[in-house]
Amino acid sequence: QKEVEQNSGPLSVPEGAIASLNCTYSDRGSQSFFWYRQYSGKSPELIMFIYSNGDKEDGRFTAQLNKASQYVSLLIRDSQPSDSATYLCAVPIYNLGGKLIFGQGTELSVKP
Amino acid sequence: DTAVSQTPKYLVTQMGNDKSIKCEQNLGHDTMYWYKQDSKKFLKIMFSYNNKELIINETVPNRFSPKSPDKAHLNLHINSLELGDSAVYFCASSQSRNIQYFGAGTRLSVL
Repeated sequence: QKEVEQNSGPLSVPEGAIASLNCTYSDRGSQSFFWYRQYSGKSPELIMFIYSNGDKEDGRFTAQLNKASQYVSLLIRDSQPSDSATYLCAVPIYNLGGKLIFGQGTELSVKP
Repeated sequence: DTAVSQTPKYLVTQMGNDKSIKCEQNLGHDTMYWYKQDSKKFLKIMFSYNNKELIINETVPNRFSPKSPDKAHLNLHINSLELGDSAVYFCASSQSRNIQYFGAGTRLSVL
């Protein structure tokens, strides 16, 4: 199993819908979880981070963490065409000295 | 002011050449990183420095050599470039091992 896994997509949703992006990780010792957004030809930018089990909301974005299931997700409500990008899940892996490991990214396409 | 800046943005060169990419951050962070993103968009760490000390050194060819003259700068020198080195190289910085902030990337094309 890879340390951090995401569905590569592409995930296509209509404008206004909820986009759901999923990520699983292998290390039960991981304590923090990050979601980065990367537009084509640009650098990754942090959009959410979460440390505790449950939900964390920031505007149209909600991060959900379930440590027992080793699962973190990102929900984007009222999806807009400008949300079309690749979303990268990143997890510091405790048994690799806390090194930040990125998933392969999920490509999201929001259709007008 | 750009927080993490890399130069050059584009680098086109011939196989066998030696090239360098420079990175500077003005965020006051103590940790800097080099990542390689291949054509499949997979982002993989190469090196990390904390206060000028190498703390992460992944399995990369020894043709790649990082240098950190001070904690605000981390450069990457690549010797004897090969076709497979073509990728986008990102510099990033963080305070300790917290949130990482990325530079704009250097797109390297080896012909």
